[in-house]
Amino acid sequence: NAGVTQTPKFRILKIGQSMTLQCAQDMNHNYMYWYRQDPGMGLKLIYYSVGAGITDKGEVPNGYNVSRSTTEDFPLRLELAAPSQTSVYFCASSYSFGTGSYEQYFGPGTRLTVT
Amino acid sequence: LAKTTQPISMDSYEGQEVNITCSHNNIATNDYITWYQQFPSQGPRFIIQGYKTKVTNEVASLFIPADRKSSTLSLPRVSLSDTAVYYCLVGDLLAEDDKIIFGKGTRLHILP
Repeated sequence: NAGVTQTPKFRILKIGQSMTLQCAQDMNHNYMYWYRQDPGMGLKLIYYSVGAGITDKGEVPNGYNVSRSTTEDFPLRLELAAPSQTSVYFCASSYSFGTGSYEQYFGPGTRLTVT
Repeated sequence: LAKTTQPISMDSYEGQEVNITCSHNNIATNDYITWYQQFPSQGPRFIIQGYKTKVTNEVASLFIPADRKSSTLSLPRVSLSDTAVYYCLVGDLLAEDDKIIFGKGTRLHILP
């Protein structure tokens, strides 16, 4: 299994440009997540999905959009990029065992710089 | 939403046992406690998860007192490669308005 894969690894965007960060998992997990991590800080949840066709906002959703058309893929769309979106973006997936916490598997991250 | 409080940083020496305590006074009945480890330029990695009492795996032990208002991650005989940030998470994604919060974590620095 490849686990959770993310593309691209690095990207530089100009202010106002748009892009899609790709995330895929091959573990048949029903939960998927997008986080951002600013330097020296913890991870902040942007969006998450509990299954194909179902998404919900996390802690910091403004400026982002997601879709979940398949179990495997969970792309994150940035519209009108701003310098405040410069960060490292992590995708994760998990197989929920019901209520309570659960083990998340993280991808290697995408380092995005907006200038 | 159960908020967690951890020390910002800790130093220890190779070969010692390290205990990192996390406070979560508002933990809910259905919440589990999960610990992650993160190395620089990598995504977090699951270490251990528990609900109450003690959980042990090949990497660490997790001690949870009866009131569940805190938990302690114990790393036996640490090495330089255990230098990382450790996050304590408490939450239930299925609960209304509950969101998993990573926080800033504890920066553990192992010295030779």
